[in-house]
Amino acid sequence: DAMVIQNPRYQVTQFGKPVTLSCSQTLNHNVMYWYQQKSSQAPKLLFHYYDKDFNNEADTPDNFQSRRPNTSFCFLDIRSPGLGDAAMYLCATSSTGHNEQFFGPGTRLTVL
Amino acid sequence: GQNIDQPTEMTATEGAIVQINCTYQTSGFNGLFWYQQHAGEAPTFLSYNVLDGLEEKGRFSSFLSRSKGYSYLLLKELQMKDSASYLCAVRDYSSASKIIFGSGTRLSIRP
Repeated sequence: DAMVIQNPRYQVTQFGKPVTLSCSQTLNHNVMYWYQQKSSQAPKLLFHYYDKDFNNEADTPDNFQSRRPNTSFCFLDIRSPGLGDAAMYLCATSSTGHNEQFFGPGTRLTVL
Repeated sequence: GQNIDQPTEMTATEGAIVQINCTYQTSGFNGLFWYQQHAGEAPTFLSYNVLDGLEEKGRFSSFLSRSKGYSYLLLKELQMKDSASYLCAVRDYSSASKIIFGSGTRLSIRP
């Protein structure tokens, strides 16, 4: 089945130790998003790729970076995780001209 | 910028009807979405409105008034499994693919 896959589902890292979260999709969608969601809060858009064009939200910390080497894969790099970066990270995709946004299952990040 | 408001929590009874409201302000409205999110899971798509009026899909309906910046999600014949957070989200013309979420309404269903 076509889907959005996130690995790992649970990630534990140490304070200040770089970590990479990955997302892949078999939907061939041209838009990919990364959201951060903390407990009982809305998903917060960090950035998104429209095709190869990277769109960073103004309030996304410099500590967060992203790469999209091809249509299917997108990575979220956290260069120096702080305790406040512990959250669920959601990857989503959509296709131009279609309305639905498809979410992956998320990666829950714990920072020790 | 964008601003999306919805109630934080609501409670309803199994078998009843509940309406969850959402108001929004955006510089370039290009569609409104409703998502359902169970605790610890990813959001799942429920509905999309871009024109004024009511969209019905089974037990769920969504309404939009662009002039008022207002939408609601109507859930009928409530079931216990409908206990979840319901997220209102808006797409903005300033970036055709950018979708911003409201903080969500946590709906609790009691027997």
